[in-house]
Amino acid sequence: QKEVEQNSGPLSVPEGAIASLNCTYSDRGSQSFFWYRQYSGKSPELIMSIYSNGDKEDGRFTAQLNKASQYVSLLIRDSQPSDSATYLCAVKPGGSQGNLIFGKGTKLSVKP
Amino acid sequence: ETGVTQTPRHLVMGMTNKKSLKCEQHLGHNAMYWYKQSAKKPLELMFVYSLEERVENNSVPSRFSPECPNSSHLFLHLHTLQPEDSALYLCASSPDASGGNQGTQYFGPGTRLTVL
Repeated sequence: QKEVEQNSGPLSVPEGAIASLNCTYSDRGSQSFFWYRQYSGKSPELIMSIYSNGDKEDGRFTAQLNKASQYVSLLIRDSQPSDSATYLCAVKPGGSQGNLIFGKGTKLSVKP
Repeated sequence: ETGVTQTPRHLVMGMTNKKSLKCEQHLGHNAMYWYKQSAKKPLELMFVYSLEERVENNSVPSRFSPECPNSSHLFLHLHTLQPEDSALYLCASSPDASGGNQGTQYFGPGTRLTVL
């Protein structure tokens, strides 16, 4: 059973702090990794994708991938109350066609 | 606003009803997906279509019947549903069904389904 694990939270951080969201996955052959943000009552919105080991930065967001340890993380710098949402980690296992495996999501709350 | 639209946005139906959910993508993508999202559970992939051909069916009960008449449209036909089928049903599309950047999926707004 291929799995993606996330701490469900809620993760609470003060405004302006760094929020760190973590995700582990079971399939060592996985090649593609995605972070989605989902506001309450809305659909998931793609924030970042990462395919190779290391860091990938986009504005206040940094995705980090470590395939040897099978984890992927998302850092949000200068957190804002508008970042409060559930963050979904999604992994595409090796060999599958279009089949993303999603974690349950981590709920982030940024306090003003 | 994404390039993937879904109708209706909300649907209440009885267990004996027949209804259909519609998804349309305006992104020129070749792959489309149906997901189910229930409270406290991860997103569950239901069906995958690539170039109008169903390539994945994740052990979904036959009371859910997908249809993909062309690469821009995807339907989910519902009949004799159960109350536990109440959930948010999400449609997504991607450039193709492969990995990497071309497999990046974009979601529609979803249909909130309630089965009485």
